Amino acid sequence: QSVLTQPPSASGTPGQRVTIPCSGSSSNIGGNYVYWYKQVPGTAPKHLIYKNNQRPSGVPDRFSASKSGTSASLAISGLRSEDEADYYCATWDDSLSGAVFGGGTKLTVL
Amino acid sequence: QVTFRESGPALVKPTQTLTLTCTFSGFSLTTNPMCVSWIRQPPGKALEWLALINWDDDKYYSTSLKTRLTISKDASKNQVVLTMANMDPVDTATYYCGRMLHRGQWELVDYWGQGTLVTVSS
Repeated sequence: QSVLTQPPSASGTPGQRVTIPCSGSSSNIGGNYVYWYKQVPGTAPKHLIYKNNQRPSGVPDRFSASKSGTSASLAISGLRSEDEADYYCATWDDSLSGAVFGGGTKLTVL
Repeated sequence: QVTFRESGPALVKPTQTLTLTCTFSGFSLTTNPMCVSWIRQPPGKALEWLALINWDDDKYYSTSLKTRLTISKDASKNQVVLTMANMDPVDTATYYCGRMLHRGQWELVDYWGQGTLVTVSS
């Protein structure tokens, strides 16, 4: 059972906009930066969003994220086949004194 | 350019101690606010954070695994070592290391290694 809660799956058709939520608590999301990672099976995770809503260079602006209170969300607009992957939210938990990850959301592009 | 490479045995027997080495380049672990973390991922499952060591040799461990984990660094060699005692088949996973920063707030992994698969089996 992960500390951060994500839906196990999401889907959309090419061109659509999909949103992946991530729910936490005051000890993690509520007081710390949220990060999002994209992982294609068999490869290492890739840094997608940092500090709640910032994109590293090279990440398309189709990817956006937000945080409100103890929840965060990742939005992908203009869905493309190459967006099919697993997506993880992550943050620091002050009560646990450690990093925590969501259970991951498998995004399928139909 | 920041890079990471994990190394260690691909196969360990139950009850043995696993020793993994993370070798990195592109930054110094003697410099505030640098940190290195270990994260693992069992096949088909989610990422799980294990441990972190910072530039000042402070160490943080997963609460569920802390009795089995030891993290250490050799900054002169740009290496971080993780040991996990009493290995069990449920510890079969790909083990990753990566860089984190702590500048007032914790900044999570921005650079990852490619991971090393460890299988626990007799």
